[in-house]
Amino acid sequence: GENVEQHPSTLSVQEGDSAVIKCTYSDSASNYFPWYKQELGKGPQLIIDIRSNVGEKKDQRIAVTLNKTAKHFSLHITETQPEDSAVYFCAASLLGDYKLSFGAGTTVTVRA
Amino acid sequence: GAGVSQSPSNKVTEKGKDVELRCDPISGHTALYWYRQSLGQGLEFLIYFQGNSAPDKSGLPSDRFSAERTGGSVSTLTIQRTQQEDSAVYLCASNMRSQETQYFGPGTRLLVL
Repeated sequence: GENVEQHPSTLSVQEGDSAVIKCTYSDSASNYFPWYKQELGKGPQLIIDIRSNVGEKKDQRIAVTLNKTAKHFSLHITETQPEDSAVYFCAASLLGDYKLSFGAGTTVTVRA
Repeated sequence: GAGVSQSPSNKVTEKGKDVELRCDPISGHTALYWYRQSLGQGLEFLIYFQGNSAPDKSGLPSDRFSAERTGGSVSTLTIQRTQQEDSAVYLCASNMRSQETQYFGPGTRLLVL
């Protein structure tokens, strides 16, 4: 089955700086890569996703890049704000397949 | 509209007891998922329901775990003879068959003493 590894496990950044989280996956057939954000006491919420026919996708301060050859994808958060503090999960699956394989999560802390 | 709701939000039980966790999906969502989130771990898939199809139970860790979905809506995850290693956050999610996005509830935090 699919194995997703996520790094780093914790990340502390100064407010206004950028944060980068990296994930690798094992199944070259995977073609759908969502990112979820989990705030304290809440369930994960989708913040951005990318499909394998696209190399990069951006939504305001959040961007995701995908390198299919190397089987890795990354989340970039620019101009970080205190409300970006949360746990972020990457995941991978086959598009249309209900079964997502999640990374272990990255705890991001934005220091004021 | 209302999101996915789960109850109870917290559950403390003694080893060996049975527990039932409830999930109310978003109205109209045909697919429902259960995940387990252990401390410092990612989300572990447990079970998937889609409409009237047979559920995918491939993620259930042992026969002590079972789940049902009544009337295509509410789902209950039951853990029998709980063990300390069952302590985790149990998350439920739902979506429409055509959607990739899964909508998660807040989870039930289970502590087995």
